[in-house]
Amino acid sequence: GENVEQHPSTLSVQEGDSAVIKCTYSDSASNYFPWYKQELGKRPQLIIDIRSNVGEKKDQRIAVTLNKTAKHFSLHITETQPEDSAVYFCAAGMNSGGSNYKLTFGKGTLLTVNP
Amino acid sequence: GAVVSQHPSWVICKSGTSVKIECRSLDFQATTMFWYRQFPKQSLMLMATSNEGSKATYEQGVEKDKFLINHASLTLSTLTVTSAHPEDSSFYICSARKHTNPQPQHFGDGTRLSIL
Repeated sequence: GENVEQHPSTLSVQEGDSAVIKCTYSDSASNYFPWYKQELGKRPQLIIDIRSNVGEKKDQRIAVTLNKTAKHFSLHITETQPEDSAVYFCAAGMNSGGSNYKLTFGKGTLLTVNP
Repeated sequence: GAVVSQHPSWVICKSGTSVKIECRSLDFQATTMFWYRQFPKQSLMLMATSNEGSKATYEQGVEKDKFLINHASLTLSTLTVTSAHPEDSSFYICSARKHTNPQPQHFGDGTRLSIL
């Protein structure tokens, strides 16, 4: 099955700095890569996603890049703010047989933005 | 939007009790719903994929007789933890997806289950 590695596990930055979180996946059949933000005790919320036919996508301060050849994708947050502090999960999605399509999640990155 | 409602948000019960958790998609039809388990400070582990009108597909190592899943309509899936024991205590989160692949999964608020 798919295996997703995420680094770093913790990341501390100063407000205004950029933060980068990297993920690798193992199965070349994965074709969808969402990123979720989860605040303590709350639901994971989709913040950005990218499909395998696209190399980069940007939404205001958030951008995601995908390198299919190397099987890695990254989340970039610019001009970080304290409210960006949360756990971020990457995921890789693929068809798992029949009509099933599932996500495999990375272990998460705890981002702390210091004021 | 894509709103997913999960109920209850918190359950405390005695060992041996069965607990039912509901997951509803409020403003869209979800042909597929997913059930995850999340331990403190850990990732989301997929337990099973629930397709409307058919049997759920369980991940390896997940006991289907322990975690009963029913997806009777396009807006409702339920997870029943049967004869719960303290080791079943965890945070259970559902998600729902619209029919087209690939599509984002939208998560419920989760259910914190504590078995005494």
